[in-house]
Amino acid sequence: GQQVMQIPQYQHVQEGEDFTTYCNSSTTLSNIQWYKQRPGGHPVFLIQLVKSGEVKKQKRLTFQFGEAKKNSSLHITATQTTDVGTYFCAGLRKAGGTSYGKLTFGQGTILTVHP
Amino acid sequence: NAGVMQNPRHLVRRRGQEARLRCSPMKGHSHVYWYRQLPEEGLKFMVYLQKENIIDESGMPKERFSAEFPKEGPSILRIQQVVRGDSAAYFCASSGDITNYGYTFGSGTRLTVV
Repeated sequence: GQQVMQIPQYQHVQEGEDFTTYCNSSTTLSNIQWYKQRPGGHPVFLIQLVKSGEVKKQKRLTFQFGEAKKNSSLHITATQTTDVGTYFCAGLRKAGGTSYGKLTFGQGTILTVHP
Repeated sequence: NAGVMQNPRHLVRRRGQEARLRCSPMKGHSHVYWYRQLPEEGLKFMVYLQKENIIDESGMPKERFSAEFPKEGPSILRIQQVVRGDSAAYFCASSGDITNYGYTFGSGTRLTVV
């Protein structure tokens, strides 16, 4: 079945440092989505990437989708303590020409920011 | 516009009892998904449902677990004869057109089996 691998599992940074998490799929994806889960909370949708090579920005967050639509990254510039949480990528695969609804989530990267 | 409603938020069951977890999707969403999460672990897919239909249950254990999404009322995840290993957070999510929008997750049910 489809697998989505995400690294690193943990990342500890000092406030102000940058952070990147990487996501790799075993199959070509229809789109990739990113979610953030605060400690004790539930996952919250951040963004979706659809096109090959697509780059999107949300303030200090930059999301990229690989040319082959099998990998993605999330980069945070100058982390703040409010960035603490777990960041998940999730891939949507195509099946039979249509996009099948089930997302496969990566294991997540737990980000800790030290003030 | 209420989000995805899950209840209860916390559920304690003794070994051998049944656990029933409820999920009401966002208004207008016809797709419901259940995921399970252990502490500091990822989200493990369990089941994908549309109204009155199970689309994909490849992540559901074959025994003791069942899910439904009836024509009227919330989606139910049912765990019979719970064991300690069932203790986890169970998240429900709903979506409309998944090609354009992401999932909306509920706050989860934290199940503790004692």
